[in-house]
Amino acid sequence: EAGVTQSPTHLIKTRGQQATLRCSPISGHTSVYWYQQALGLGLQFLLWYDEGEERNRGNFPPRFSGRQFPNYSSELNVNALELEDSALYLCASISPGQPQHFGDGTRLSIL
Amino acid sequence: GENVEQHPSTLSVQEGDSAVIKCTYSDSASNYFPWYKQELGKGPQLIIDIRSNVGEKKDQRIAVTLNKTAKHFSLHITETQPEDSAVYFCAATRSGGSYIPTFGRGTSLIVHP
Repeated sequence: EAGVTQSPTHLIKTRGQQATLRCSPISGHTSVYWYQQALGLGLQFLLWYDEGEERNRGNFPPRFSGRQFPNYSSELNVNALELEDSALYLCASISPGQPQHFGDGTRLSIL
Repeated sequence: GENVEQHPSTLSVQEGDSAVIKCTYSDSASNYFPWYKQELGKGPQLIIDIRSNVGEKKDQRIAVTLNKTAKHFSLHITETQPEDSAVYFCAATRSGGSYIPTFGRGTSLIVHP
């Protein structure tokens, strides 16, 4: 069974640009969660998508947004990038009643 | 909302020693407590979990204990090996898809050969 896949592995942007990160969940999983992992801060919840709908979002500004496609894959978009957006962005998928399974993340660097 | 505190932030042990990482949570309604291991360049991987109807769970060299009254749970690794070196995260949540796990800030475990 293929795990959660994320692309790209690394992304380098400059301040003010926009970034798009992608996630494919485990086959059969309909829920996708996005987390930001900045150095020393653990995993901060960003967004949760289930069955194509945004179900919950964490304490992040509106320039963090995303969507989930009919095949349950998901995109995270970050607009007007700031230096403090530099972090590892993790995607996790879940089957009801089961724990989250994480991808290996996208390392976003803002210059 | 839930708040999870994790200690220590760094733990250095000699190969063969035991390692213990402790977490406390605030929401008495939390009933599911997973532990994740994150190796360098990788995403977190579930290593063990425990539900609130159980006080202890073991899987080979890894065990987790839960004290619901005190609202704390711990990860125990025995006979540590260099490949156990990683960052470990605890989390607390209510089971069910509507709840978002709250993670601790992580413990960097270093096992010296």
